[in-house]
Parts: sequence; structure tokens; C-alpha cells
Amino acid sequence: DVKVTQSSRYLVKRTGEKVFLECVQDMDHENMFWYRQDPGLGLRLIYFSYDVKMKEKGDIPEGYSVSREKKERFSLILESASTNQTSMYLCASQGTGDQPQHFGDGTRLSIL
Amino acid sequence: RKEVEQDPGPFNVPEGATVAFNCTYSNSASQSFFWYRQDCRKEPKLLMSVYSSGNEDGRFTAQLNRASQYISLLIRDSKLSDSATYLCVVNLGPQKVTFGTGTKLQVIP
Repeated sequence: DVKVTQSSRYLVKRTGEKVFLECVQDMDHENMFWYRQDPGLGLRLIYFSYDVKMKEKGDIPEGYSVSREKKERFSLILESASTNQTSMYLCASQGTGDQPQHFGDGTRLSIL
Repeated sequence: RKEVEQDPGPFNVPEGATVAFNCTYSNSASQSFFWYRQDCRKEPKLLMSVYSSGNEDGRFTAQLNRASQYISLLIRDSKLSDSATYLCVVNLGPQKVTFGTGTKLQVIP
């Protein structure tokens, strides 16, 4: 079974802080994704990566950056956290493009 | 038109009922299709892939209609534990994955 592990289930940070969310997968998948999910809006793609050191913007990249230094790890960075970034953040990995994505448990991030 | 559309529901059905959800997609070049289940405050989990010939997994049947550009999920003999939100997913190709916003199902005793 694919295992996708996110570093924190719950996180509380203050406005203006730099926030790091980590995601690790154990299946040697090429593709990794970061989403946020808000009530009534569904899953929205922030960034994805299709290889080490490669990244592509998703639908809502503003205020975020990512890092993929190793194949198994994909980090999401909130450069200067704001209250409108309070959300559920979900990491996913995918083998090839026609395969399903597998999600981590999610991180509930609150920005105060 | 949205790339992927689902009826948000909620669908309230009694235990033992059969319920079906549809999901329409706009891009005829879409290549692969999936249904996910998401419980409240949890991550989406893969329920089943959807194959052109249709496929079944226990009480669940998934079908694809390329001509009309929709996929469907049929749940027979609904259980209380089936209560969740069901997301359809359409893959256009590498790195182009679109999630529906989900259909909420509530199975009532």
C-alpha cells in the first residue's frame, strides 16, 4: 500500500510566521501535489511536482512556495502566513499520470 | 462549464436502498477516471477506478459513458457506514487531475 505521511495533523501559527508543511511518500512516485480544501470549495491545487527540483503552479499558488530536494519529500511553505490561509492542507502522490493519487492524512492549519 | 461537475446532494437514503451518483466532465480527451470517498474531516481515499467496460467491487459499480461524458457510481444495499462524500476524479493526462466537489451521501437507519 502507498503510504503518504504529513508531518502534522494539527498546527496553529501566527500571522506573519513562515510555516513549513512536510510530506513524505514511500512508493518512489514521480508526481506529488499540495492541495487545500475549504468548505464548499472542494480541493484546490496549490502546487505540484513531477520530479526532483521540478515544480509547477497549480490554481492558487499565491502566498505559497514549494521545495522538492528529494524524490520522496515535497514541502509546502507559507512565506508569511495570513488568516485566509487557515485551511485543511492535503498532500498526494501519484505514480504515472493515469494512476490515482494517494493522500496523506491532512494537516489542519489555523493561522491566528 | 466546469471541468467536472457533481450534484452536491445531500442524498438521504434509507439503509438497504440503492443509490446512484453521476459526474459529468467537459474534456473529451480525459483518459482515466476514479471515485474517491471522503469522510468528514478526513482525507479522500480511493474507492475504485472506473474502466470503459464498467467494473464492480462488491456493492459498488462504476461505469463510464464516453459518448455522454459522464461517470457513475452505484451503491447497492446501502449501509450506515457508506455515509460520506463521494468525489469523482478525471485525469486528462500527466499532471492534469481534476476533482469534483463531491456528492454527500447520508444513509439513514
